[in-house]
Amino acid sequence: DAGVIQSPRHEVTEMGQEVTLRCKPISGHNSLFWYRQTMMRGLELLIYFNNNVPIDDSGMPEDRFSAKMPNASFSTLKIQPSEPRDSAVYFCASSLPPEPQHFGDGTRLSIL
Amino acid sequence: GENVEQHPSTLSVQEGDSAVIKCTYSDSASNYFPWYKQELGKRPQLIIDIRSNVGEKKDQRIAVTLNKTAKHFSLHITETQPEDSAVYFCAARQAGTALIFGKGTTLSVSS
Repeated sequence: DAGVIQSPRHEVTEMGQEVTLRCKPISGHNSLFWYRQTMMRGLELLIYFNNNVPIDDSGMPEDRFSAKMPNASFSTLKIQPSEPRDSAVYFCASSLPPEPQHFGDGTRLSIL
Repeated sequence: GENVEQHPSTLSVQEGDSAVIKCTYSDSASNYFPWYKQELGKRPQLIIDIRSNVGEKKDQRIAVTLNKTAKHFSLHITETQPEDSAVYFCAARQAGTALIFGKGTTLSVSS
């Protein structure tokens, strides 16, 4: 299996622009998670889905962030408008409970 | 919700020594406790996990212990090697929820 696939690997954009991060979970996994990693705050859970349905989005920082999972093989995390403080590494992970979560390689986002 | 505290934030040992990282969790309903290793610029990768019906689990040089009463669990690495240098994260969750991670421990093993 190719594992969890994220794109792009790196994104540099100017503040105010819309940013879309993409994730393809491992085939057969029915849970998908978005995390944000920074030096100051560590690995923060943003949102997770079970069977394509958002279960807990309490970690989403504010209304500028939104996430969707239109089908079992694709999810997006969107930031609009982006701000410099959104700069971080964003990880997607998937699992088939009770098995462990597997992480993608992450998207390193820089907002100038 | 769940809160996971991890200590120490940094740990330096000599090659061959043992390393111990400790975590506490707040939600007594949590029943799954994995440990992830993250090398610089890479994704977190699972190295060992333990469920609440087990008190200890070992895999070669790595072991994890769990004390449900005290709500804490620990990672033990014996005979450390330079390639063990990385950031280690503990996490906890209850069934049907997402992992909540500790802030991480940067382990440096010097030869």
